[in-house]
Amino acid sequence: DAKTTQPTSMDCAEGRAANLPCNHSTISGNEYVYWYRQIHSQGPQYIIHGLKNNETNEMASLIITEDRKSSTLILPHATLRDTAVYYCIVRPYNTDKLIFGTGTRLQVFP
Amino acid sequence: EAQVTQNPRYLITVTGKKLTVTCSQNMNHEYMSWYRQDPGLGLRQIYYSMNVEVTDKGDVPEGYKVSRKEKRNFPLILESPSPNQTSLYFCASCSSGSAFKYNSPLHFGNGTRLTVT
Repeated sequence: DAKTTQPTSMDCAEGRAANLPCNHSTISGNEYVYWYRQIHSQGPQYIIHGLKNNETNEMASLIITEDRKSSTLILPHATLRDTAVYYCIVRPYNTDKLIFGTGTRLQVFP
Repeated sequence: EAQVTQNPRYLITVTGKKLTVTCSQNMNHEYMSWYRQDPGLGLRQIYYSMNVEVTDKGDVPEGYKVSRKEKRNFPLILESPSPNQTSLYFCASCSSGSAFKYNSPLHFGNGTRLTVT
């Protein structure tokens, strides 16, 4: 399974866009990019996923580079409640496997 | 509200005393799974179930049992808990079948923090 690399931590001012990068240089053609977040010790919360095209939903936008080797999760207007650990995961289309790495700890400050 | 419900939220027990952690989902999902989360080790899969009466081992099944008699429920059973099973446990579900091939996202419960002394 392809591995991902994320910064250990990031800060973001409330109201600003939070841009969380993820490197997945060994991703293969049938692997999706997933983003989850975990607030304190709550269950991981699904945010968004994509294969090739950029995606947007009510929570966030996902920008995937053309070569698919990296992606960026964008929270357009970060709030204090967005403080969490964000996980970038690559997942083959036909498997339930979600391999969570150590993620990025995002701290949103007032 | 669509959700995965785990009970109990917190559990402290002693070595060898059988326990069950319940998991229930109200989304009519075929697929359900149990994970444990430990510091530095991320989420590791214990068991999963593709549908009623179908269960399979994940990456760390030793010391655990599961059953899937009904679609909505997937209990995790520790017949003889040991201190190394002290962990944070999560149940998750998603739709499968034709939808699974297109990566239906997993929905997680809020976790059960188990302490075995």
